[in-house]
Amino acid sequence: SQKIEQNSEALNIQEGKTATLTCNYTNYSPAYLQWYRQDPGRGPVFLLLIRENEKEKRKERLKVTFDTTLKQSLFHITASQPADSATYLCALEETGGFKTIFGAGTRLFVKA
Amino acid sequence: DVKVTQSSRYLVKRTGEKVFLECVQDMDHENMFWYRQDPGLGLRLIYFSYDVKMKEKGDIPEGYSVSREKKERFSLILESASTNQTSMYLCASSLEFRYGYTFGSGTRLTVV
Repeated sequence: SQKIEQNSEALNIQEGKTATLTCNYTNYSPAYLQWYRQDPGRGPVFLLLIRENEKEKRKERLKVTFDTTLKQSLFHITASQPADSATYLCALEETGGFKTIFGAGTRLFVKA
Repeated sequence: DVKVTQSSRYLVKRTGEKVFLECVQDMDHENMFWYRQDPGLGLRLIYFSYDVKMKEKGDIPEGYSVSREKKERFSLILESASTNQTSMYLCASSLEFRYGYTFGSGTRLTVV
């Protein structure tokens, strides 16, 4: 069956360091992959989309990579700040379209 | 600023009650979705709709129904609320997957 896995353990890092979050998937061949940010008690907010033919995408301090051979996406936040503390979700469009499958998310804590 | 508005942030209902959760979007999106989010399980798709009066079952439709009489409004109905439907409910809309989803702020429903 199709599956998305994100590290369920929280990631704790020091302010100013780079945070790297991982999204692995199986039994998909997605054309796109998305990353979202979710703050406690709020809905997810769309951050970035990367296409299968793009190896890397950047937006300000965010960088996403997409390796279709490894079936993995990495999400990097450079020069992290306490305000970056949140849960980050990856999402794929289910083969055949229409439905998006979300990972369970990884909680990031950035300490000042 | 585009918006998805959910009618209630918090709701407390009794077992057996019929519950209506309302969602309105102002972006003229054709696609709308209802998810529930539980700790450790991530977002699970209940129902979605890709056009007015159209609806499709998601992964966990049992105990729920939906209504989409107008393009901007997508309602989730719990026919007879049960305690295992206590959860955070999130509505989302999208133009297409590659443009990302816009989520509402969520409704935290407690069934007692």
